[in-house]
Amino acid sequence: RKEVEQDPGPFNVPEGATVAFNCTYSNSASQSFFWYRQDCRKEPKLLMSVYSSGNEDGRFTAQLNRASQYISLLIRDSKLSDSATYLCVVNREYGNKLVFGAGTILRVKS
Amino acid sequence: DTAVSQTPKYLVTQMGNDKSIKCEQNLGHDTMYWYKQDSKKFLKIMFSYNNKELIINETVPNRFSPKSPDKAHLNLHINSLELGDSAVYFCASSQLGLLPHEQFFGPGTRLTVL
Repeated sequence: RKEVEQDPGPFNVPEGATVAFNCTYSNSASQSFFWYRQDCRKEPKLLMSVYSSGNEDGRFTAQLNRASQYISLLIRDSKLSDSATYLCVVNREYGNKLVFGAGTILRVKS
Repeated sequence: DTAVSQTPKYLVTQMGNDKSIKCEQNLGHDTMYWYKQDSKKFLKIMFSYNNKELIINETVPNRFSPKSPDKAHLNLHINSLELGDSAVYFCASSQLGLLPHEQFFGPGTRLTVL
């Protein structure tokens, strides 16, 4: 079993739609959680950290469920520019060692 | 201003050759990383250096040898290249601390081994 698992998609949604991605992680000792975004043929960039109480950044909301070991990302009012691969990322030990999921592809269409 | 830069951007070479990829960051971070992203898009950490000291060394063939001359540079040398080495290699940097900090990635080096 992979340490971080995501539905690869693709999720094809119309502009303005709300879309949600889930991610599960296997290591209960995991400490910190993130969503990174990667555009086609580009480097990953941090989208947002995920806090235990849940957090929101504009149209993006991240949730963490430690008991069930899953993380979610909700995108409201999707824009064409949201089209990308969303990477679920877990940090599990000292040294800033990040473990990446394979990513979920989002395609927003007009 | 480029925060994390890598050279070359593209590298096409024959099996058995030796090649190097260079990385530099101007963010003042103390920690740098090498990642490999294969054709299935999995991004996996290979190495990490903190202030020129190796702190993460994943299960990577010893044909791969990182070198950090100073905390702003982390190079990757690969000996006897194999077909399976074809991938995109990303360099990244961050500031090590009690809590993990954002990692900033370079643009990647697309390596193709023929």
